[in-house]
Amino acid sequence: DVKVTQSSRYLVKRTGEKVFLECVQDMDHENMFWYRQDPGLGLRLIYFSYDVKMKEKGDIPEGYSVSREKKERFSLILESASTNQTSMYLCASSPEGQGRGANEKLFFGSGTQLSVL
Amino acid sequence: GENVEQHPSTLSVQEGDSAVIKCTYSDSASNYFPWYKQELGKGPQLIIDIRSNVGEKKDQRIAVTLNKTAKHFSLHITETQPEDSAVYFCAARKRTGGSYIPTFGRGTSLIVHP
Repeated sequence: DVKVTQSSRYLVKRTGEKVFLECVQDMDHENMFWYRQDPGLGLRLIYFSYDVKMKEKGDIPEGYSVSREKKERFSLILESASTNQTSMYLCASSPEGQGRGANEKLFFGSGTQLSVL
Repeated sequence: GENVEQHPSTLSVQEGDSAVIKCTYSDSASNYFPWYKQELGKGPQLIIDIRSNVGEKKDQRIAVTLNKTAKHFSLHITETQPEDSAVYFCAARKRTGGSYIPTFGRGTSLIVHP
């Protein structure tokens, strides 16, 4: 089975801190995604990557950046954490295919609940 | 409007009843329609999906129907059980920049009362 592992289940940070959320997948998938989940708002895409060193903005990239130095690892970076970034963060991956993830199943990690105080 | 609209936001049923969740999408070129189930403390997991060349797909107690003309698709759960209680998400695609990406509905919280 595909495994998508997020490094932390819970994280508490202070306003202004630089925060790194790590995600690793073990099935050689091309596409990787970072979503943010808030009650009533569903899953909103922050950034995605369809290849090493490639990245594209999703719907809500402001205040975030990403890094994909290796195929299996996709990191989400909060440059200067703010209280409105308190949320559940979900990483996902999918195999290569036309549509870069729009036409095939996503595999999700268990999520990181980030609290910014 | 939103790319994918999902209704209802909450659904409460008695064990054994059926549950139906509906989604509409805007990109007429969408051709893949998955449904994900998210249990408490876990990430979403695919439970069923359908491609645009079929109108219905069934897997035991769950089924998905697709109406491409009307641009809507639905999840049907029959003989609901307490373990079906979860948040369900539908997805379709939308174009962003030079790519097509999966985009999700806002989710339906299903509660099955024993």
